[in-house]
Amino acid sequence: AQSVTQPDIHITVSEGASLELRCNYSYGATPYLFWYVQSPGQGLQLLLKYFSGDTLVQGIKGFEAEFKRSQSSFNLRKPSVHWSDAAEYFCAVAGNTGGFKTIFGAGTRLFVKA
Amino acid sequence: EAQVTQNPRYLITVTGKKLTVTCSQNMNHEYMSWYRQDPGLGLRQIYYSMNVEVTDKGDVPEGYKVSRKEKRNFPLILESPSPNQTSLYFCASAIGRATDTQYFGPGTRLTVL
Repeated sequence: AQSVTQPDIHITVSEGASLELRCNYSYGATPYLFWYVQSPGQGLQLLLKYFSGDTLVQGIKGFEAEFKRSQSSFNLRKPSVHWSDAAEYFCAVAGNTGGFKTIFGAGTRLFVKA
Repeated sequence: EAQVTQNPRYLITVTGKKLTVTCSQNMNHEYMSWYRQDPGLGLRQIYYSMNVEVTDKGDVPEGYKVSRKEKRNFPLILESPSPNQTSLYFCASAIGRATDTQYFGPGTRLTVL
């Protein structure tokens, strides 16, 4: 079955510290992988996506993610967190099988300490 | 401005009273989709549409209907709402397929009493 797991419901980091948000997926075919961010009271905005090529993907706002096929993971990273990064982050998978659906993880809420 | 709009943004209704949440995009996108967001569950896809008159079920379609008569509009219909449909609903669109970047509307918070 297709699924996305984000093991951390919430994470707290200090401003300026590094961040890694975990994402594991299960998908029967070649996946398209996404990270979206949702600021409080807002819709979702794409941070980055991966389909093929270089397994380290750069996104907006200084975020990057690394695809590891052997671990079925697509973890999101940022070297230095800013207070404005406090939000909820969603990992998602889509593809050309299973009826063109999109599967989202449950999300990880990021808190940033001053 | 390129955008996805939803109306209403907030709605409180009672069990069994039919309602429609509208969604419109001005980007000439072929793919449109509805999601519901519930705490601890993330976003779950309700229905999606690959083009005009082409719709298909997502993971949680029960109790919902959709139609796609025009490319820009993709309304979500709850013919007999129940309290378990209280949720935050998002409409999204993409150029062609689910594998393209999806652009999300601002959300509709629905409460069914």
